[in-house]
Amino acid sequence: EAQVTQNPRYLITVTGKKLTVTCSQNMNHEYMSWYRQDPGLGLRQIYYSMNVEVTDKGDVPEGYKVSRKEKRNFPLILESPSPNQTSLYFCASSLGPNSPLHFGNGTRLTVT
Amino acid sequence: GIQVEQSPPDLILQEGANSTLRCNFSDSVNNLQWFHQNPWGQLINLFYIPSGTKQNGRLSATTVATERYSLLYISSSQTTDSGVYFCAVSAGAGSYQLTFGKGTKLSVIP
Repeated sequence: EAQVTQNPRYLITVTGKKLTVTCSQNMNHEYMSWYRQDPGLGLRQIYYSMNVEVTDKGDVPEGYKVSRKEKRNFPLILESPSPNQTSLYFCASSLGPNSPLHFGNGTRLTVT
Repeated sequence: GIQVEQSPPDLILQEGANSTLRCNFSDSVNNLQWFHQNPWGQLINLFYIPSGTKQNGRLSATTVATERYSLLYISSSQTTDSGVYFCAVSAGAGSYQLTFGKGTKLSVIP
């Protein structure tokens, strides 16, 4: 089944403890992206990647890192999480910039 | 950057009713998509529709790019249609940055 898989679905952590949210797609998509969703602010793009080893900042990249070493994987790294990064995170992928975007099921992160 | 406005912000329907959701955008776009976020939080792609009309079952969408708006039609609504509907656009050839509207929250009651 074609899908975007994120892990974990839920994560509670403490301020400053490094964490990684994994994202994998099995559709051979070139493009992958991370979004965060917050009440009143909607969906905002964090980082995106056009292909292997090619990444760029979205609207809210501060406090996040990404890497794209393989086409199928695009992990999101929080080196030193803070409470303002408590949010619902989505990974997404598509064939290219003008193709339908497919989302993972989301990761709900709480930083205390 | 490009602005996206969706209306109405909230909509309550009786099961079986029809509805029209609107998305206005402030600039020319080369990418417009509609998504449904169900009550469990999953985001499902409904349409990729930078121009023209598409239909998928009870749902259809029309984008009039020259007038900078798109419409999502839901006919014979069902309780499973409840959730939030988002419009997202990007401008500029090859742009990867989708800008999302704030969404329309739809509640379908039995």
